[in-house]
Parts: sequence; structure tokens; C-alpha cells
Amino acid sequence: QKEVEQDPGPLSVPEGAIVSLNCTYSNSAFQYFMWYRQYSRKGPELLMYTYSSGNKEDGRFTAQVDKSSKYISLFIRDSQPSDSATYLCAMSDAYGQNFVFGPGTRLSVLP
Amino acid sequence: DSGVTQTPKHLITATGQRVTLRCSPRSGDLSVYWYQQSLDQGLQFLIQYYNGEERAKGNILERFSAQQFPDLHSELNLSSLELGDSALYFCASSVGGLAGDTQYFGPGTRLTVL
Repeated sequence: QKEVEQDPGPLSVPEGAIVSLNCTYSNSAFQYFMWYRQYSRKGPELLMYTYSSGNKEDGRFTAQVDKSSKYISLFIRDSQPSDSATYLCAMSDAYGQNFVFGPGTRLSVLP
Repeated sequence: DSGVTQTPKHLITATGQRVTLRCSPRSGDLSVYWYQQSLDQGLQFLIQYYNGEERAKGNILERFSAQQFPDLHSELNLSSLELGDSALYFCASSVGGLAGDTQYFGPGTRLTVL
């Protein structure tokens, strides 16, 4: 079993849809949870960052962490074609000694 | 533009050779991270430096080594290259290198080993 699992997609949705992206993990030491967006042939860029369990909202993006289930989610409201990219979840322990990325989900938002 | 620069953008070399990838962090950032991204392995953390010292080590092969210089730029050295080393290599930087610090990624170096 991989340390972080993520559905690779591809996921295709119509413009304006609500998108749900998810990761599961096995290491209970993870404390920091992040979502990165990566456009083709570019470096990843940080979208959302959450410490421990709970929800965090930033514009059209909402991140949720459920440590009891070892499950994290990213919701994108009113999705736009410009949201088409690969979304990577990432997590680390409290000391940053173990930093792991999920394999990524490729999202296409169709106009 | 993240402010992190990486050179070269592309590198094509042969098996058994040695290459050096270079990274300049954002102004003010003290920590540098190296990652390898391949189609089958995804994004893998290799190694982290903070202010010239190694801070954390991930899945870095013994054939690979890195260092961070006094001016804070970093180099990743890959030797005895194999076909499987073909990948995108990213450098990222952060202010303090702590677990919660935002990492800013460079544009990457695409390495092709023939």
C-alpha cells in the first residue's frame, strides 16, 4: 500500500460544476496537509494548506482534513476551464522530515 | 513566476554520464528542496537543505548528491546515469524550511538519459 493514494483520473467536468478531489493516507504522523496545482510542464504551486483536522476556505477552494479517517479533500466551486490541471495532495509530519506527494489527479473543465 | 530559478531547462545525456542541476532560491529563502517527478513514480522528495546544512533526506539514490552553497544556491549531482533517471527535477525553496512553510517550486529541469 502506498503512503498516499489519489485517484489519477482523468476527471472531466463541465464549466461551473463543483469538483471534489480526494486523497487517503496511511501514516498517522502526518500533521500538515497541502494541495498543489500543476499545469502541464510547470512546477507545482501551492493552493491550500491545512494544519491537522478541519476545514479551510479560500475563494472557490475548500480543503477538508479528517485525520480520524485519514482522508483529505479539495472542493472547487464554480469550476473554470483555467482550473484544468493536475492536482497533487501533499502531507508532512510535524518536523517536515517526511514530505510525501500523492500521484495527482488530472482535471479537465470543459467550456 | 515563483522566483525560483533552475538551469538548465533541458538536458540530454547518455547512460553512465554525470550531470549537475542548479537551483537559485527565492530572495530571502534559506531552505532548498529537490524533487524528482516521473510518470510512474509521481513527485518524489529527494533532499532538503537549510542554510547550507542537510536537513532531511527522502528517496535519494546513492548515485545522487546535493549541496547548498554559502550564497544559498544549490546543486544536484546525478552520476552513473541510467535510463530510469529520465525525469523532471524540481527545486523548491521556503523561508525557514519548517514543516508548515510554503514551498515555492521552480520551473524544473527535464533530464533525458539515452
